[in-house]
Amino acid sequence: TQLLEQSPQFLSIQEGENLTVYCNSSSVFSSLQWYRQEPGEGPVLLVTVVTGGEVKKLKRLTFQFGDARKDSSLHITAAQTGDTGLYLCAGDVSNAGKSTFGDGTTLTVKP
Amino acid sequence: DSGVTQTPKHLITATGQRVTLRCSPRSGDLSVYWYQQSLDQGLQFLIHYYNGEERAKGNILERFSAQQFPDLHSELNLSSLELGDSALYFCASSVESRGAPYEQYFGPGTRLTVT
Repeated sequence: TQLLEQSPQFLSIQEGENLTVYCNSSSVFSSLQWYRQEPGEGPVLLVTVVTGGEVKKLKRLTFQFGDARKDSSLHITAAQTGDTGLYLCAGDVSNAGKSTFGDGTTLTVKP
Repeated sequence: DSGVTQTPKHLITATGQRVTLRCSPRSGDLSVYWYQQSLDQGLQFLIHYYNGEERAKGNILERFSAQQFPDLHSELNLSSLELGDSALYFCASSVESRGAPYEQYFGPGTRLTVT
């Protein structure tokens, strides 16, 4: 059983469109991170959310942490081809020293 | 550039062999994490070291071992290699082990191919 479920698994859109990807769990997380990974490279940290209901913006990316700290979403406005990549969420349930990663959403933005 | 370095970048070896992957964390980071990423299994947590001590273990095989040295660099040793061990191996580092969000900074990875 995957602790963090990400959806959709794959998403292909045209440049300029908006999109939302989700990260859901039945567990409560003390914090949750979003990463973006390009093929053959390491994941790059985008944001950390800590407080239930928190919203963080990073240019065209908006991250939200659920009120109960069990889920999160990433919304991209006016997607660009440079947004193409694998988006991973990760969290730690109990400050146990290890993060669990979701399987990710593979986003393709076509010109 | 995350500040985390990994060597080698690519490694090709035969089944049954043993290899060592090396990671240097960002300056000031005490925690080092190792992950395996294969096509069909996503990013799998292997092990976490904090300031030289093992802090958490994931689904790490008994054929795999790791350590973190006094200068904080870490090595992941993979032995009796099997075809299924072919994967990208990532190292990540972070400032703290507990009490803070696990903001991890990943290295470029080592691509291991077992033939």
